[in-house]
Amino acid sequence: SQQGEEDPQALSIQEGENATMNCSYKTSINNLQWYRQNSGRGLVHLILIRSNEREKHSGRLRVTLDTSKKSSSLLITASRAADTASYFCATDAGNNDMRFGAGTRLTVKP
Amino acid sequence: EAQVTQNPRYLITVTGKKLTVTCSQNMNHEYMSWYRQDPGLGLRQIYYSMNVEVTDKGDVPEGYKVSRKEKRNFPLILESPSPNQTSLYFCASTGTTPYEQYFGPGTRLTVT
Repeated sequence: SQQGEEDPQALSIQEGENATMNCSYKTSINNLQWYRQNSGRGLVHLILIRSNEREKHSGRLRVTLDTSKKSSSLLITASRAADTASYFCATDAGNNDMRFGAGTRLTVKP
Repeated sequence: EAQVTQNPRYLITVTGKKLTVTCSQNMNHEYMSWYRQDPGLGLRQIYYSMNVEVTDKGDVPEGYKVSRKEKRNFPLILESPSPNQTSLYFCASTGTTPYEQYFGPGTRLTVT
């Protein structure tokens, strides 16, 4: 069954704007990961945040984690047309029990 | 180059005709898994393997089999495919730390 639920399901922005996607989950986790998927292709790992971390950065990506609210957000700053893709959060409850959400479809218009 | 490969990439078959989708990784990862992706449902885990000769069911194992005779290979077997198994399938392998998954390019299967 799905663990993560992304919000919104779809997001359309102009190039240069920031994009924020949210993920909520139900059970305790060891870490939470964000992945990107270009249409019909394999997922690519973006960033991992452990349960004892609150914020993490990687280039234009910023991830936050609030374990009390069981939620995470992914912020992409200064978006580019090439950022157009689907973004998934995945929760790892331990023993590599990974659960993915249905994803947020991001469209960045040039 | 570290990678996960899957074959075939595209497959159209008929109901009941046994098929195998191969998966291979060159990163010496112990953990491998299979997912199917369907619109609106995200990725659902079919089977996973913690190591050679150790496999376990994921969320949607019905109609599928796997084997793990070697560390690098983890084939997915559909003994008698049915149209509800039409989907996009991904194989993935996972390192020990920090547990990020490496995904294959996907296999688009259509069962008529």
